[in-house]
Amino acid sequence: EAGVAQSPRYKIIEKRQSVAFWCNPISGHATLYWYQQILGQGPKLLIQFQNNGVVDDSQLPKDRFSAERLKGVDSTLKIQPAKLEDSAVYLCASSLGAVANTGELFFGEGSRLTVL
Amino acid sequence: AQSVTQLDSHVSVSEGTPVLLRCNYSSSYSPSLFWYVQHPNKGLQLLLKYTSAATLVKGINGFEAEFKKSETSFHLTKPSAHMSDAAEYFCVVISYNTDKLIFGTGTRLQVFP
Repeated sequence: EAGVAQSPRYKIIEKRQSVAFWCNPISGHATLYWYQQILGQGPKLLIQFQNNGVVDDSQLPKDRFSAERLKGVDSTLKIQPAKLEDSAVYLCASSLGAVANTGELFFGEGSRLTVL
Repeated sequence: AQSVTQLDSHVSVSEGTPVLLRCNYSSSYSPSLFWYVQHPNKGLQLLLKYTSAATLVKGINGFEAEFKKSETSFHLTKPSAHMSDAAEYFCVVISYNTDKLIFGTGTRLQVFP
């Protein structure tokens, strides 16, 4: 079974530039998550999709971050304009059903962003 | 609100010695707790989970954790460390009112030969 795919793995940009990350979840997983993991911290949820609808985006800095999930499959996360504090690893995860039932998210390897 | 606190940011052990990674939780409800592991440049992987069944939970790679309500703890243990256990470990609780995973700050485990 193929895992969660993310690209690019690494990205270096200057502040005020834009960047986009792509995620392809495990086939059949209805729920997709984007997490931000800053060095030395645990992952923080940015946005959660159920199929192509947003379930929770309360922690997403909407002035600069946006995300979409077209056709309930792939998702993109965009940052525009980037700030220095956006340097982090962006993790995509998917799950088959409600987290409360399974507790298991399947994570991609992440996209490491460095903002100079 | 639910939360977890990982008491050690770094733990170093010698290969073959026991591993103890400590986690305390705070929850108004009977919590669901998990341990995830993150190897360098890899995605997070579920190690084990507690969902109010047996208090001693066995996971992959010889790890286990014990849920202790009286101590509000869910410490991760392994009798004998291997070099391949070197990784970052996260204690996680589910927020029931939002169905979100709440991660601790992580414990980096180093294993010396």
